[in-house]
Amino acid sequence: QVQLVESGGGVVQPGRSLRLSCAASGFIFSSYGMHWVRQAPGKGLEWVASISSDGSNKYYVDSVKGRFTISRDNSKNTLYLQMNSLRAEDTAVYYCAKELGLAGIVWDYWGQGTLVTVSS
Amino acid sequence: DIQMTQSPSSLSASIGDRVTITCRASQSISNYLNWYQQKPGKAPKLLVYAASNSQSGVPSRFSGSGSGTDFTLTISSLQPDDFATYYCQQSYSTPLAYTFGQGTKLEIK
Repeated sequence: QVQLVESGGGVVQPGRSLRLSCAASGFIFSSYGMHWVRQAPGKGLEWVASISSDGSNKYYVDSVKGRFTISRDNSKNTLYLQMNSLRAEDTAVYYCAKELGLAGIVWDYWGQGTLVTVSS
Repeated sequence: DIQMTQSPSSLSASIGDRVTITCRASQSISNYLNWYQQKPGKAPKLLVYAASNSQSGVPSRFSGSGSGTDFTLTISSLQPDDFATYYCQQSYSTPLAYTFGQGTKLEIK
């Protein structure tokens, strides 16, 4: 069965960095694009970043461009999100999500989420 | 960016009711529209993709329709497990920005 397990969240001061990880199992990780989606407390969902199956293409929402970097290690079945220059507005639960692989960008499996709190 | 607007933002309904949630795109997105269900403290769950295709394992009471700018998610007969927040999401836009609607919270009447 497909499993996505995020880790790395926590409380961090504004301007500092954090790296999230997402360990994948139960599917051929190297065959699927992967994504990060976040949800601020009490708010809706926001797509953050995407990476193609081989890692060659990466895309970001405007608000994190230049600060966040998505990457993957297909040998370790792991997705990453390096978050630098963190701001209070980055406070959210961060989910990793797997592409369905059909009909555009559709997320068929999600992790349980990891909470990032940016506060002094 | 393409804006997605859901209506209503919240809805009270009873067990057995037929419920329809609407999602409108600010420009045509063909059928690149997906629906998710989210319960408190849990990750979203895919219900419908490409406007009208039900995800494997999703109960048949959930169905989607629409194309272009107007889409609907219908629950034919509400069950206790269906009380949750529902989001639409488009995957059409270029430059890339896979925007969600603001959500529709479905509550028990």
